[in-house]
Amino acid sequence: SAVISQKPSRDICQRGTSLTIQCQVDSQVTMMFWYRQQPGQSLTLIATANQGSEATYESGFVIDKFPISRPNLTFSTLTVSNMSPEDSSIYLCSVSRGGGNEQFFGPGTRLTVL
Amino acid sequence: AQRVTQPEKLLSVFKGAPVELKCNYSYSGSPELFWYVQYSRQRLQLLLRHISRESIKGFTADLNKGETSFHLKKPFAQEEDSAMYYCALPVYSGAGSYQLTFGKGTKLSVIP
Repeated sequence: SAVISQKPSRDICQRGTSLTIQCQVDSQVTMMFWYRQQPGQSLTLIATANQGSEATYESGFVIDKFPISRPNLTFSTLTVSNMSPEDSSIYLCSVSRGGGNEQFFGPGTRLTVL
Repeated sequence: AQRVTQPEKLLSVFKGAPVELKCNYSYSGSPELFWYVQYSRQRLQLLLRHISRESIKGFTADLNKGETSFHLKKPFAQEEDSAMYYCALPVYSGAGSYQLTFGKGTKLSVIP
């Protein structure tokens, strides 16, 4: 498995501002993923983050709104830009190792946009 | 396109009663399916995967390719089983990466 931490654990933000969420893993991992879980909904994949390359975004998500960094094999950030109340969600980071299909999840960041 | 369906949003059972959480999938390849669980105030964690054919915390799940199902079962529910359960399908997305397609989840409530 992997030990994954996220910062912040929760935040309340004003409309129009941006928030950067950090994901730290205790060991090197191949793939990192960012998900959104809106209230009462399932998990929706935002993007896949590979170290040293551009993130791959899913349909409906764009880099300008959700820029992602992956500077090394243990760390990634997701920024939620120009926030609106519709961005209020839990944002989750997950990782997989060595070509495996199992993913390990972080504790999530609960974002509320006023 | 792949799809995972969990038809029940909420399932309430009495303690000691059998539990079955339903999951159906649509996938053109040979599927491998997972059940993830999220207990209150805890992170999402893998409960079991069909390929391991294990029983975890008394839960089992059998892949039925004919019915395209992967239902999660437990003969006697316990209060500590109350949680959100997600069925997930890993799909190869290239470059050694798999993406997970999740069902909408079923909230299991075990009544004392």
